[in-house]
Amino acid sequence: AQKVTQAQTEISVVEKEDVTLDCVYETRDTTYYLFWYKQPPSGELVFLIRRNSFDEQNEISGRYSWNFQKSTSSFNFTITASQVVDSAVYFCALSPGGYQKVTFGIGTKLQVIP
Amino acid sequence: GAVVSQHPSRVICKSGTSVKIECRSLDFQATTMFWYRQFPKKSLMLMATSNEGSKATYEQGVEKDKFLINHASLTLSTLTVTSAHPEDSSFYICSARDQRVQETQYFGPGTRLLVL
Repeated sequence: AQKVTQAQTEISVVEKEDVTLDCVYETRDTTYYLFWYKQPPSGELVFLIRRNSFDEQNEISGRYSWNFQKSTSSFNFTITASQVVDSAVYFCALSPGGYQKVTFGIGTKLQVIP
Repeated sequence: GAVVSQHPSRVICKSGTSVKIECRSLDFQATTMFWYRQFPKKSLMLMATSNEGSKATYEQGVEKDKFLINHASLTLSTLTVTSAHPEDSSFYICSARDQRVQETQYFGPGTRLLVL
């Protein structure tokens, strides 16, 4: 069975602050993929990143960075110098290898206050 | 790249009518598409996996006769909510898996269904 836990249901930060969204996962698969998606108020889900289980290298994309640690089964997402446009619900997700279905966490609602 | 569209974006219908929602992959081919339902302030719940040219695979608790899925081509899947009732009101989102990058699902913008 797979499980994705996003313990933070809502976070509020003031613009320009850094914020980290936590994600902890459970799986028995040795090969799996982890994802982060952003869902702004308009509703569409925007793909942010995919990470496979064999690649623990941290990734940075502009103000976004991801910290994958297999030892703690975590895949945390940090936004540096947050902006109002970052306000959205962020979902962490997990998929086993072999193109199987994705399990989503409950989502973390981020509000960036001007 | 990897754009998925949904139509309509919003629909209001009377109880008892049927509603069809289309999901299209615009710039890639998708042998597999997925249909999700999302309740307010909740996560996405997978309803079914739609495979091109074959029957959809439904998740436990999802009525296949209620939610008809057709995946007739590599770029189009449709979800028909039959005899809709107010409890079917929800946000329906489809996703498509790019054949070239099968590990990632790309999502459509969603369809808000309101059944009166």
